[in-house]
Amino acid sequence: EVQLVESGGGLVQPGGSLRLSCKASGITFSYSWMSWIRLTPGKGLEWVANMHPDGSVTDYVDSVKGRFTASRDNAKNSLYLQMNNLRAEDTALYYCARDAFWGAIDYWGQGTLVTVSS
Amino acid sequence: DVVMTQSPLSLPVTLGQPASISCRSSQSLLYSDGNTYLHWFQQRPGQSPRRLIYNVSQRDSGVPDRFSGTGSGTDFTLQISRVEAEDVGIYYCMQGTYWPKIFGQGTKLEI
Repeated sequence: EVQLVESGGGLVQPGGSLRLSCKASGITFSYSWMSWIRLTPGKGLEWVANMHPDGSVTDYVDSVKGRFTASRDNAKNSLYLQMNNLRAEDTALYYCARDAFWGAIDYWGQGTLVTVSS
Repeated sequence: DVVMTQSPLSLPVTLGQPASISCRSSQSLLYSDGNTYLHWFQQRPGQSPRRLIYNVSQRDSGVPDRFSGTGSGTDFTLQISRVEAEDVGIYYCMQGTYWPKIFGQGTKLEI
């Protein structure tokens, strides 16, 4: 059974930082493109970052460039998202997901909620 | 960035009746390898999204055959031949041909 389990969400003040984690099981993690995707009531689903299996290439949506950094540890089957200088508009449910090919996500986590508010 | 436009955004339907969702992209999603990376996802209330259709018309394993996807270039459609109660949720199209990968706004299907 495939499981992607996110953690690390919470309430943070504007300008603050959070680190999200995603633990994968049931997939060949080290061969998988992995992604962070967020869901907001106002904007719907937004692809945040997409990471190559070996971590050599990561693409970010413009709105998070310079503030968010994705990373992975293939030995631990884990994906991370370091989020700095958080803004109210980053408030969302953040999903860890596997990109099977060209955006065709085949597995999603249950999501971890990030709330940015004073 | 590619703009993905879905319509309608709200879709009231009657059980057993057909339903159709349109998705248009601001530029062709046909990639140089001959594939069109347009996918459809369903998000039921309280659940994570689930892929229904990939590459315009390829239905995922376990997806009922009442779901079908058609289209090419910039115009795509998700059709449900006979809506069932379990189909309630939000449906998203998504283009994977270009970065950033973009989802449509979502269509809320309700009975």
